[in-house]
Amino acid sequence: DSGVTQTPKHLITATGQRVTLRCSPRSGDLSVYWYQQSLDQGLQFLIQYYNGEERAKGNILERFSAQQFPDLHSELNLSSLELGDSALYFCASSTGQALGYTFGSGTRLTVV
Amino acid sequence: GENVEQHPSTLSVQEGDSAVIKCTYSDSASNYFPWYKQELGKGPQLIIDIRSNVGEKKDQRIAVTLNKTAKHFSLHITETQPEDSAVYFCAAKPFSGNTGKLIFGQGTTLQVKP
Repeated sequence: DSGVTQTPKHLITATGQRVTLRCSPRSGDLSVYWYQQSLDQGLQFLIQYYNGEERAKGNILERFSAQQFPDLHSELNLSSLELGDSALYFCASSTGQALGYTFGSGTRLTVV
Repeated sequence: GENVEQHPSTLSVQEGDSAVIKCTYSDSASNYFPWYKQELGKGPQLIIDIRSNVGEKKDQRIAVTLNKTAKHFSLHITETQPEDSAVYFCAAKPFSGNTGKLIFGQGTTLQVKP
């Protein structure tokens, strides 16, 4: 157990739907990162939050959004889902700007 | 733009042999280079990292070397064991201000044959 908790582990949904992925960081970590892992794209950085505020944005689609709550857990919202959104979504956390963050075990999203 | 290239994409070695994975980065201002190991069904796990002011770092059977001039870094695993079989990712942290964003390579699937 890495200390980073992601739920759900698996999610199957239809095109056009909206889903929410949840992440609880390691105790004491203020930064949360979201990554998408697909077979042809590897690990792609989506977004980073630090203590509730957005800190950095990657190639995150406009259909995707995220937030970090006062208790530091984070949610990634994916809407108007397409088949190509099927992937593993990982959350990671770190203490401030500490290098070498810790990943959760991921949420496998399948869009049918 | 920011890019990390990783080679080879697959690597098969006999148990006890050494394995080397190489990565090249594009942003010369990158200052941190971690390596992650991902086993089936799990998230990536940090195994070793190196900062830009260091040329080499070793931790038991694994070592990482960095050549800033050539903008490449490598992972060396000696005396490989079957449990080393996994997908390995290199990454680079571009100098993008006060963020922890990492750019990952495409991964190397390492198979260690008993």
